[in-house]
Amino acid sequence: EVQLVESGGGLVQPGGSLRLSCAASGFTFSSFWMNWVRQAPGKAPEWVAIINQDGTERHYADSMKGRFTISRDNAKNSLYLQIDSLTAEDAGIYYCVRGAGWELHFWGLGTLVTVSS
Amino acid sequence: ENVLTQSPGTLSLSPGERATLSCRASQSVGNNYLAWYQQKPGQAPRLLISTASIRAAGIPDRFSGSGSGTDFILTISRLEPEDSAVYYCHQSATAPLTFGQGTKVEVK
Repeated sequence: EVQLVESGGGLVQPGGSLRLSCAASGFTFSSFWMNWVRQAPGKAPEWVAIINQDGTERHYADSMKGRFTISRDNAKNSLYLQIDSLTAEDAGIYYCVRGAGWELHFWGLGTLVTVSS
Repeated sequence: ENVLTQSPGTLSLSPGERATLSCRASQSVGNNYLAWYQQKPGQAPRLLISTASIRAAGIPDRFSGSGSGTDFILTISRLEPEDSAVYYCHQSATAPLTFGQGTKVEVK
């Protein structure tokens, strides 16, 4: 059974940093493009970033460039998202999503990020 | 950026009726890499349709997708109460990947 389990969310102060993790199981992690997608309360999902199978190609949403870093460790079947200089606009649920090519096929349950002082 | 505009914003229908949801792209979606997702409160989005018309595994055949280029349609042929949800379209042809703003379907 395919599983994606996100962790690392929580309450962080404005200006702080966070590292989100996604543990993958039930499939050959190293064979798939992987993504992070976020969703603010009551809003549509917003794509954050994508990384290829061996981590050599990455793309970011324009508004995420510079503060967000996507990475992966295929030996640990894990995907990561480093977020720096957090603002209130970064709050929401962050989903780890397995791609089929670039299509977003399988979503994890998400981890909640709250930004507040 | 390829902006996706969904209509209508809300659709209120009765069980057994047909729902037609529209997604219009500001630029042609290459290879018809247009997907549809269903999202219920408190849940992650679930893939219904990929590449404009390919139903995902386990999705009932009352869900169908069509269209190409800039205009795409999701049809739910015979609505059931459990189809109440927000539906999003999404293009993955070009970065940045983008989503529509969603259509809320209420089945009463």
